[in-house]
Amino acid sequence: QVHLVESGGGVVQPGRSLRLSCAASGFTFSDYTMNWVRQAPGKGLEWVAIISYDGSKKYYADSVKGRFTISRDNSNNTLYLQMNSLRAEDTAAYYCARELLGGIPNYFDYWGQGTLVTVSS
Amino acid sequence: DIQMTQSPSTLSASVGDRVTITCRASQSLSSWLAWYQQRPGKAPKLLIYKASGLESGVPSRFSGSGSGTEFTLTISSLQPDDFATYYCQQYDSYPLTFGGGTKVGIK
Repeated sequence: QVHLVESGGGVVQPGRSLRLSCAASGFTFSDYTMNWVRQAPGKGLEWVAIISYDGSKKYYADSVKGRFTISRDNSNNTLYLQMNSLRAEDTAAYYCARELLGGIPNYFDYWGQGTLVTVSS
Repeated sequence: DIQMTQSPSTLSASVGDRVTITCRASQSLSSWLAWYQQRPGKAPKLLIYKASGLESGVPSRFSGSGSGTEFTLTISSLQPDDFATYYCQQYDSYPLTFGGGTKVGIK
């Protein structure tokens, strides 16, 4: 079955960097568009970034554009989110989510369990 | 960007009640709308896709309707497992956007 497991979260000071990973299994990772979605404590869901199945297309939310970079390693079935110049408002649980095949864009059919990022001095 | 507005933001209901949640979009989505359920401390779970399509394994008491700019999620008979927060999401265009959520609590 499909599994998405995020890692790499933690406590980081403002202005520093962090890289999140999402290990995928149970499906052909290289066929699927993947996303990062975040949720600040007690708040709603915010889409962060998307990467096409082959890594050729990437889109970002305005709130992270220029600071975050999404990437993937299809040979290792892993999705990444490089987060630079972190701010307090980036504090959130970060989820990786698989987008349904076919149709651009599409809804998310599987989500990971999330990894918590806390930006604090 | 397409803005998604859910109402109500919270509601209290009893087991067995019929519950309806509304989601309005700032522009037409056709039927490109999904609904998710999120229990505390857990990842969101897909319930409904393309406005009214029931995801495999989701109980039939959940249903979705609507098109264009107005959509509803209905739970026909609320069960204890259904006390959670529900989000709509548009996938008509980037950036993908979510509604603010509706928390369904116990009356």
